[in-house]
Amino acid sequence: GEDVEQSLFLSVREGDSSVINCTYTDSSSTYLYWYKQEPGAGLQLLTYIFSNMDMKQDQRLTVLLNKKDKHLSLRIADTQTGDSAIYFCAERPLSGGYNKLIFGAGTRLAVHP
Amino acid sequence: KAGVTQTPRYLIKTRGQQVTLSCSPISGHRSVSWYQQTPGQGLQFLFEYFSETQRNKGNFPGRFSGRQFSNSRSEMNVSTLELGDSALYLCASSRGTGLNTEAFFGQGTRLTVV
Repeated sequence: GEDVEQSLFLSVREGDSSVINCTYTDSSSTYLYWYKQEPGAGLQLLTYIFSNMDMKQDQRLTVLLNKKDKHLSLRIADTQTGDSAIYFCAERPLSGGYNKLIFGAGTRLAVHP
Repeated sequence: KAGVTQTPRYLIKTRGQQVTLSCSPISGHRSVSWYQQTPGQGLQFLFEYFSETQRNKGNFPGRFSGRQFSNSRSEMNVSTLELGDSALYLCASSRGTGLNTEAFFGQGTRLTVV
């Protein structure tokens, strides 16, 4: 089946690292994505990882993928107040067709001084 | 390069009316997907259009429909509006071919049904 789960809330201190976790169910998923949504805005694509990779780093962002456990994480280094937003994990199952993304419920990241 | 443009940004409609939302994808992108975002159900896939054809469809009633024009612009229509249709409707643009089709989202249209 298709299901993506995320914890709903994360609070971190400015300057610390944030780690947002996600589990997915469809082993056919070829690509996994992280999106950011700020209040009143659409979704901003942050990064993605191909399913045959274990890790991808992009500036302050590190994505780790454990394909065996179907676990994905997003680490934000040196978290800033501007990182406060909702973060969505999404999978693109092969069976779903080209552009059907399955999203998690989103993790609300709160950054405090 | 211009991003994905959705119009209008906000809409207020009455139950029973119909509504049309518009999405202009990134230049060169041929795929447009639509999603509904609500606090209760989260982000749910509505349908995808590629080269003027519906390529994929989610689990929504027939009141939800869409189309795509030859310039890749897409519209979605909701007929006989219900209160539960109040949501943020997001459109995503992608190339539509190849294994990784990064999807870029517009700002959304917030529809309120009263």
